[in-house]
Amino acid sequence: EIVLTQSPGTLSLSPGERATLSCRASQSVSSSYLAWYQQKPGQAPRLLIYGASSRATGIPDRFSGSGSGTDFTLTISRLEPEDFAVYYCQQYGSSPTLTFGGGTKVEIK
Amino acid sequence: QVQLQESGPGLVKPSETLSLTCTVSGGSISSYYWSWIRQPPGKGLEWIGYIYYSGSTNYNPSLKSRVTISVDTSKNQFSLKLSSVTAADTAVYYCARIIGWELGSSPIWFDPWGQGTLVTVSS
Repeated sequence: EIVLTQSPGTLSLSPGERATLSCRASQSVSSSYLAWYQQKPGQAPRLLIYGASSRATGIPDRFSGSGSGTDFTLTISRLEPEDFAVYYCQQYGSSPTLTFGGGTKVEIK
Repeated sequence: QVQLQESGPGLVKPSETLSLTCTVSGGSISSYYWSWIRQPPGKGLEWIGYIYYSGSTNYNPSLKSRVTISVDTSKNQFSLKLSSVTAADTAVYYCARIIGWELGSSPIWFDPWGQGTLVTVSS
């Protein structure tokens, strides 16, 4: 089973700053099978990025995804107040199984 | 647009069976994969399993022995049963559609999600 490790656990930044979130896989993951979600308190997760770099419908272009193999990155170019949330990566693997990373919390500094 | 809504008891006794239903509105349940995901309070997300509209299923190996997911296309609903629950099964349970690069292809990412329902296991 592929394990996804997200870092850092918490990212403390100010509005307007750039956020870089990491998702590392224990084995190589096809970039086609990697997604990112945003979850705000009391809400369900929302799809942000699929296929490692494609933005979901309605997602602002300040969100971008990149990476391949075992290392993937979600970047928020300039943090808006509504971007402070928890972010999860997720992969589709063999068997098939779907697994999530442990999450990164982006908090206001 | 497709919307999902979970329903079911919010309190289940230990050793009993947790039962939830997800109702899909704004679109047909046909031609897609549908899934259950859970999130213990203050923790991360765990995929439970999915079902294709035709009835084929796939479960998380860690839960496989206790999980059954079924679909009722006539009602546009799918359901979750989790048997022999313990306090460790206390969580917010979400239903979601899983989609991939093409209709009917490998189910890869979850979109959209239901709002979630908290199920507490306690006597």
